[in-house]
Amino acid sequence: GAVVSQHPSWVICKSGTSVKIECRSLDFQATTMFWYRQFPKQSLMLMATSNEGSKATYEQGVEKDKFLINHASLTLSTLTVTSAHPEDSSFYICSADRGFNTGELFFGEGSRLTVL
Amino acid sequence: QQQVKQSPQSLIVQKGGIPIINCAYENTAFDYFPWYQQFPGKGPALLIAIRPDVSEKKEGRFTISFNKSAKQFSLHIMDSQPGDSATYFCAASIGSGRRALTFGSGTRLQVQP
Repeated sequence: GAVVSQHPSWVICKSGTSVKIECRSLDFQATTMFWYRQFPKQSLMLMATSNEGSKATYEQGVEKDKFLINHASLTLSTLTVTSAHPEDSSFYICSADRGFNTGELFFGEGSRLTVL
Repeated sequence: QQQVKQSPQSLIVQKGGIPIINCAYENTAFDYFPWYQQFPGKGPALLIAIRPDVSEKKEGRFTISFNKSAKQFSLHIMDSQPGDSATYFCAASIGSGRRALTFGSGTRLQVQP
């Protein structure tokens, strides 16, 4: 099956620093990747859609200058949380579309960010 | 606006029971309806999915029932086991064109031994 890997799986940082999370599709090329955010015991909320070689499309209410998304290759998308604050602490999960137009998305294991 | 409503919020069943989780959607353009299973600290994993041209789909112990006219779909877990204890999310999307999934609020299932 299709494998999506995220790194790091967990990170702790100080308030005001920036953190980069990587999302890789290991055995397929993903022209589209999606970034979700999940607070404890809540659902997954879409943050942005990342298309290879173009700017990401952000959902309403998501600050594009704070959550920088880069999709530089068909197997890698990165999410950078800039000037992180404690309220940014969350579980960030990426997913990738294999491009078969089936609608099926493959999810990474998630990255737990804790901002002190 | 919540486009996919899921219930119940939590569910406790005995081993061997058949938990049923329900979802209702609003957007009639949705044409792909998957169910995901998520364990604590892990990403969601696809269990089973259905498209509106069928009313039921079975894969192993998991069955989706789909009612297009009512805009509802549900997940049934046959012969539930303690290892099935997890959070289950329904979702919906427009299946083609690389669209993101819209998730329900989740159901925390606990299967007691």
